[in-house]
Amino acid sequence: DTGVSQDPRHKITKRGQNVTFRCDPISEHNRLYWYRQTLGQGPEFLTYFQNEAQLEKSRLLSDRFSAERPKGSFSTLEIQRTEQGDSAMYLCASSLGVTNEQFFGPGTRLTVL
Amino acid sequence: LAKTTQPISMDSYEGQEVNITCSHNNIATNDYITWYQQFPSQGPRFIIQGYKTKVTNEVASLFIPADRKSSTLSLPRVSLSDTAVYYCLVEEDSSYKLIFGSGTRLLVRP
Repeated sequence: DTGVSQDPRHKITKRGQNVTFRCDPISEHNRLYWYRQTLGQGPEFLTYFQNEAQLEKSRLLSDRFSAERPKGSFSTLEIQRTEQGDSAMYLCASSLGVTNEQFFGPGTRLTVL
Repeated sequence: LAKTTQPISMDSYEGQEVNITCSHNNIATNDYITWYQQFPSQGPRFIIQGYKTKVTNEVASLFIPADRKSSTLSLPRVSLSDTAVYYCLVEEDSSYKLIFGSGTRLLVRP
C-alpha cells in the first residue's frame, strides 16, 4: 500500500454512460497525476495538478474527459459518454516537491460494454 | 515531442546483472530521469531517479551520460521476484507532460 487510494477499483459501464473516478493522494503531496494504461502498454499521461491548479493536459484528454482537484486534496476524473476505446486502467499518482518519485494508487479498471 | 525507446523484453538468470537502456530525446534539460517497476495488476513502483552521471541506491544503479539522451538501469544479482516490467519516465521539454517508456518485460529464470 503506497498511501494513494483510488475508488472504485473496478467499473463496468455501458457505452454512452458517464463515469467518475476518485483519487485520494498522500496527504502532504502537492502534485497529483492521472494516467491511462491499456494492456501491454506503458502508462499514458493524462493530466497533472499542482495543488488545485491543473497545469497540463494531454491531447488524450478529449472534451469528454475532465479532471478536478478542489482544494488541492482529492481529485476526480470524469468521462462523459463513454466509448469502448475508453476501456483501460486509470492510474493516479502523487508526489511531493520537484522530483518525479511518484506514488501510484492501485488503479481503477474501466470496462465499457 | 519527447519520445522514449526501450527493448521490449529481456531474459536473465538468477544472480546475473541486468542492464536496461532507455533512449529519450527532447526531454527537459533540468528534470530527473526516473525508473519504475510494475507487476501485473499493480501501479508502477519507484526504483531510482537521477539527473546525470551515476546514482546508486539499495536496489539499483542508474547511469546517465552527459548528453542525457539515454539512461541505463542496472539491477545487480537479479532474483525471480525481479520479473516485472520496467519503465523509464522523462519529462517533455517545455511542458509538464511526463512520458513513460514503452516498458521492458524482464523475465528472470531460475
